[in-house]
Amino acid sequence: SQQGEEDPQALSIQEGENATMNCSYKTSINNLQWYRQNSGRGLVHLILIRSNEREKHSGRLRVTLDTSKKSSSLLITASRAADTASYFCATDPSVTGANSKLTFGKGITLSVRP
Amino acid sequence: SQTIHQWPATLVQPVGSPLSLECTVEGTSNPNLYWYRQAAGRGLQLLFYSVGIGQISSEVPQNLSASRPQDWQFILSSKKLLLSDSGFYLCAWSVAGTRIRKQYFGPGTRLTVT
Repeated sequence: SQQGEEDPQALSIQEGENATMNCSYKTSINNLQWYRQNSGRGLVHLILIRSNEREKHSGRLRVTLDTSKKSSSLLITASRAADTASYFCATDPSVTGANSKLTFGKGITLSVRP
Repeated sequence: SQTIHQWPATLVQPVGSPLSLECTVEGTSNPNLYWYRQAAGRGLQLLFYSVGIGQISSEVPQNLSASRPQDWQFILSSKKLLLSDSGFYLCAWSVAGTRIRKQYFGPGTRLTVT
């Protein structure tokens, strides 16, 4: 079953505004990752936050993690038209072993209007 | 630096025909390799993953198979395609033996079964 569930499913904002996307998950994690996918392309890793971290920044990206609520948010500040893409969260479970692997959510479609 | 290639980029095949998609990774040794399928507007479904030559794990029963004849080569195959096999196929790799399973994706293959 899907581990990460993103919210909202789609988001449309004006250029310059901030975009906030949320991800909820169900089981214990070692880390949570966010990826971006431009239309018709492969996924690109954006940022990773470990289970013992609460917040992380990378350029215009800010990720938070609340393990008590099993949720994460991705904030893109001062959005640009080039940020238009689908965004996926992926959870890396805390259990190890051959069967443990990343699980991706269904993604959020972000449209940034010029 | 590491690079991942997939081909072909697009493919249109009739129902019942065979399939062979190839993925190669350069610049790293003994990577973990993954095949995903993404239906239109949907999330990623993990199909197969491999931790070494000849070692393939299947995630879902289906019309497809995978092989890893070389450390750097991952092949997705089918003997007879179904309409439901249409989708966007993504190959990815991650560093083996690490607790942080960050994945690097190829550009994808768009398969249309007619």
